[in-house]
Amino acid sequence: GENVEQHPSTLSVQEGDSAVIKCTYSDSASNYFPWYKQELGKRPQLIIDIRSNVGEKKDQRIAVTLNKTAKHFSLHITETQPEDSAVYFCAASSPLYNQGGKLIFGQGTELSVKP
Amino acid sequence: DTEVTQTPKHLVMGMTNKKSLKCEQHMGHRAMYWYKQKAKKPPELMFVYSYEKLSINESVPSRFSPECPNSSLLNLHLHALQPEDSALYLCASRGGRGAFFGQGTRLTVV
Repeated sequence: GENVEQHPSTLSVQEGDSAVIKCTYSDSASNYFPWYKQELGKRPQLIIDIRSNVGEKKDQRIAVTLNKTAKHFSLHITETQPEDSAVYFCAASSPLYNQGGKLIFGQGTELSVKP
Repeated sequence: DTEVTQTPKHLVMGMTNKKSLKCEQHMGHRAMYWYKQKAKKPPELMFVYSYEKLSINESVPSRFSPECPNSSLLNLHLHALQPEDSALYLCASRGGRGAFFGQGTRLTVV
């Protein structure tokens, strides 16, 4: 079945450093790759997403890259701040026209940004 | 507006109770989802609705019964739950602008 692998499971960085989280997916039909930030007790918040016809997308300090051939995608956070501390989930989904799209999550990365 | 609204925020129910969770979105999304999330784990897909029809059931026990009354609403009916069903239940919807989650219902089965 569909599977999304996410690494690392925990990541600790100093404030101002960069953080990189990597994911791989198994379903070659996947065409939508969102990233979510989840703070304790809150909903997963969509922070950035990328579609399969794009290789890279950037939004201020956050960027996502996609390598369809290798089935890899990554989240890059630059100039990290303590408020970036949270659990980050990657996800991969089949197209909407395929039964509404099956959004499958990676296992999550707990990011800690130390002041 | 990227709002998905879930009610109630918290729910405590006994194993013989019947209760319902509600989800609403007004983004015109035609795909809606129910997820279950345990502490320190990723959301786990339960059901997918596409154009108000159940398209995917991830082998969820029949004590969970989804319903989609119209394109904006999604319900999850609960009956005879077990303590291990205690979790955060999340609703999501997806359209051209992305997939967005509601704030969830924290369910405790006693």
